[in-house]
Amino acid sequence: GNSVTQMEGPVTLSEEAFLTINCTYTATGYPSLFWYVQYPGEGLQLLLKATKADDKGSNKGFEATYRKETTSFHLEKGSVQVSDSAVYFCALSDRNFNKFYFGSGTKLNVKP
Amino acid sequence: DAGITQSPRHKVTETGTPVTLRCHQTENHRYMYWYRQDPGHGLRLIHYSYGVKDTDKGEVSDGYSVSRSKTEDFLLTLESATSSQTSVYFCAISESADYNEQFFGPGTRLTVL
Repeated sequence: GNSVTQMEGPVTLSEEAFLTINCTYTATGYPSLFWYVQYPGEGLQLLLKATKADDKGSNKGFEATYRKETTSFHLEKGSVQVSDSAVYFCALSDRNFNKFYFGSGTKLNVKP
Repeated sequence: DAGITQSPRHKVTETGTPVTLRCHQTENHRYMYWYRQDPGHGLRLIHYSYGVKDTDKGEVSDGYSVSRSKTEDFLLTLESATSSQTSVYFCAISESADYNEQFFGPGTRLTVL
């Protein structure tokens, strides 16, 4: 079956620190991979995506590379800001009605 | 932003009462989804729709039913609410099944007393 595992939070960093949030997946077939971000009281917003192995998704300084050999899609940012404080979700989708499978979410706190 | 609205945004109800949540989209997307969000579980799929009157169950469908009589509306019904259904409910839409992102609504916070 399909599943996503991501690192437990919360993650607390100082402003300008390097961020890594780990995400690994199990999938049948060839899924697409996504990172979504959720700010307090809001819905999920797409942060970035990758549709095939070795693709790199990037947006707003965040990056993630689709690694088929390690079944991973780790999220990275070189220098975080206070405004990056949010909950981050890793997800995969399959071609079966584009159903999504989400990780449990990782809360990021960035301190000034 | 994708045109997705959910109503109500907040609701408090009592155990045993029926509850209907509405998702409305203005994007004319074919696929619609209902998720629930609970601490430690991320988002879990309740039901989804792949067209008018075409629906199917997700991983946590027990106690829920759905209906889609128009492309733009997807209703989630709790026939007899229980405290375990206290959660935040999100609707999402997708244009196709071909590796497209899903766009999410603002959510409905439901409390069952």
